[in-house]
Amino acid sequence: KNQVEQSPQSLIILEGKNCTLQCNYTVSPFSNLRWYKQDTGRGPVSLTIMTFSENTKSNGRYTATLDADTKQSSLHITASQLSDSASYICVVSAIGDSNYQLIWGAGTKLIIKP
Amino acid sequence: KAGVTQTPRYLIKTRGQQVTLSCSPISGHRSVSWYQQTPGQGLQFLFEYFSETQRNKGNFPGRFSGRQFSNSRSEMNVSTLELGDSALYLCASSLSSGRTDTQYFGPGTRLTVL
Repeated sequence: KNQVEQSPQSLIILEGKNCTLQCNYTVSPFSNLRWYKQDTGRGPVSLTIMTFSENTKSNGRYTATLDADTKQSSLHITASQLSDSASYICVVSAIGDSNYQLIWGAGTKLIIKP
Repeated sequence: KAGVTQTPRYLIKTRGQQVTLSCSPISGHRSVSWYQQTPGQGLQFLFEYFSETQRNKGNFPGRFSGRQFSNSRSEMNVSTLELGDSALYLCASSLSSGRTDTQYFGPGTRLTVL
């Protein structure tokens, strides 16, 4: 069964600190992996999208890594800011016979404290 | 360029009623996907439309239906509402129905069923 699991479920860190969020998946056949940021009460916003051949991708203070062998991805946030408080969702795309399927993780709720 | 718009933003209905939600994609986008998000749950995929045709469908009962018009605007209908249908309904648009296309989300419609 295609699944995406994220950890931790929630995380509280102080402003200015770094943090790393994890995403493990059992999705086959794999197409790509995406990270989204979702502020409370709003729609998700895309941070990165990574294909099989990409190991690292950055978007400002956000750096995503992908290990396709171990089926793991991480999202590293550097020098956190209060505005980083949000849920971060990992989404893996699987290729079907005639279409594709997006499998969404439950997200990690990140709280940045001043 | 205007983003994805969803109307209404908030809706309160009672059990047994039906509801129609509307989504206007980004200009030029031809794919529209619908998701249901409940507290503590990941996004649950409802369906995707591309060029007025349903391309993908999630595991939701037949009470949930949708359609897409020639201008790419999409509507989602839920009949015979149940308490469990209370959720944030998100619409996302993308250029095409490709596996690597970035989805852009609207702000969502918050549906409360009493």
